[in-house]
Amino acid sequence: GAGVSQTPSNKVTEKGKYVELRCDPISGHTALYWYRQSLGQGPEFLIYFQGTGAADDSGLPNDRFFAVRPEGSVSTLKIQRTERGDSAVYLCATGGYNTGELFFGEGSRLTVL
Amino acid sequence: KQEVTQIPAALSVPEGENLVLNCSFTDSAIYNLQWFRQDPGKGLTSLLLIQSSQREQTSGRLNASLDKSSGRSTLYIAASQPGDSATYLCAVRPPDSSYKLIFGSGTRLLVRP
Repeated sequence: GAGVSQTPSNKVTEKGKYVELRCDPISGHTALYWYRQSLGQGPEFLIYFQGTGAADDSGLPNDRFFAVRPEGSVSTLKIQRTERGDSAVYLCATGGYNTGELFFGEGSRLTVL
Repeated sequence: KQEVTQIPAALSVPEGENLVLNCSFTDSAIYNLQWFRQDPGKGLTSLLLIQSSQREQTSGRLNASLDKSSGRSTLYIAASQPGDSATYLCAVRPPDSSYKLIFGSGTRLLVRP
């Protein structure tokens, strides 16, 4: 596709369950970012990939959160033992190498009951 | 630590008005500044990107200015239309971690017909 694609668009789960959120970047974009947005707030940085490796994961809130990008394209954000406080919109963004501009997907809305 | 503030948090104007949205940041050392639009339940759409060496960027009825020394940016919307109703977010990219965006909380704009 032409833009950043995120699936699922909505995910409702129970406390304690495991969830995976997927991001398909714009073709050719080497940089990939995950952000989390709570209601009424701006997005907050979680993790950044340049190619296959996580260049900066300092925004991940705790060790229940993990992200991978095994082939340098699609990325998966994994959340273990979900908590109600994890409820938010998880946004993926991608950019070309050295580009200043980021392009965002429509997000995955996670609700933990 | 860089902080981004957007004022006002919400704004309601009649159709046709020219309006200004404000963004301020605490550390003037930035790589660039980007304005985004976010419709309810949607991802972020990039509107304008201003590099640190630039003073302004224009796209259609939108004009964004940057005054790095004072830590301010404004987004000017001319002849507002109901379709402009959305949340507008500004984000700065610090030079020391140039792959992270730091967002403000946004201005929620309503343009009344």
